[in-house]
Amino acid sequence: SQTIHQWPATLVQPVGSPLSLECTVEGTSNPNLYWYRQAAGRGLQLLFYSVGIGQISSEVPQNLSASRPQDRQFILSSKKLLLSDSGFYLCAWSKRENTGELFFGEGSRLTVL
Amino acid sequence: AQRVTQPEKLLSVFKGAPVELKCNYSYSGSPELFWYVQYSRQRLQLLLRHISRESIKGFTADLNKGETSFHLKKPFAQEEDSAMYYCALSPFGNEKLTFGTGTRLTIIP
Repeated sequence: SQTIHQWPATLVQPVGSPLSLECTVEGTSNPNLYWYRQAAGRGLQLLFYSVGIGQISSEVPQNLSASRPQDRQFILSSKKLLLSDSGFYLCAWSKRENTGELFFGEGSRLTVL
Repeated sequence: AQRVTQPEKLLSVFKGAPVELKCNYSYSGSPELFWYVQYSRQRLQLLLRHISRESIKGFTADLNKGETSFHLKKPFAQEEDSAMYYCALSPFGNEKLTFGTGTRLTIIP
């Protein structure tokens, strides 16, 4: 069966420090991969999605970047965190044939101080 | 650009009463519509999709293209229905899913 792992679960970082959130999927190949940010009152905002290794689409201009170095690995990064980067980040995957069903990770709570 | 609107942030319903969670969308092409649910301490997961025309856990949703709506309904609410519900849209055949802001449903015993 397919599983998705996301870590770390919680992270407290000072302003200006770097960020790396990792997500891996097991039990499937060639998945579509996504990073969402979940904010109270703002729902789920799509940040990045990827349909293959090295292929990243950015949905909103921001202080974050994403990379997909391997087929089932998706990384969310920042060189210098801002206070506004605080939030709950969700990684998700979907099948290549895209039925519209996303499978979400447990999320990472980032607090920037 | 596609947009999904869920006008109610919070909704409280008595057990046994009917439930309707509203969802409106804007998209010029042919959309695919979905409802996702997040129960307490669980991951966000798909509840149902319009193309399947199915009933899941007693919930149904009909796509009304004239009103650009995809409201989620259940005739008799149960306590276990308490959760956060998100409506979502993707262009047909496209992998990008746009979510609404969500509605927190609370079922009152």
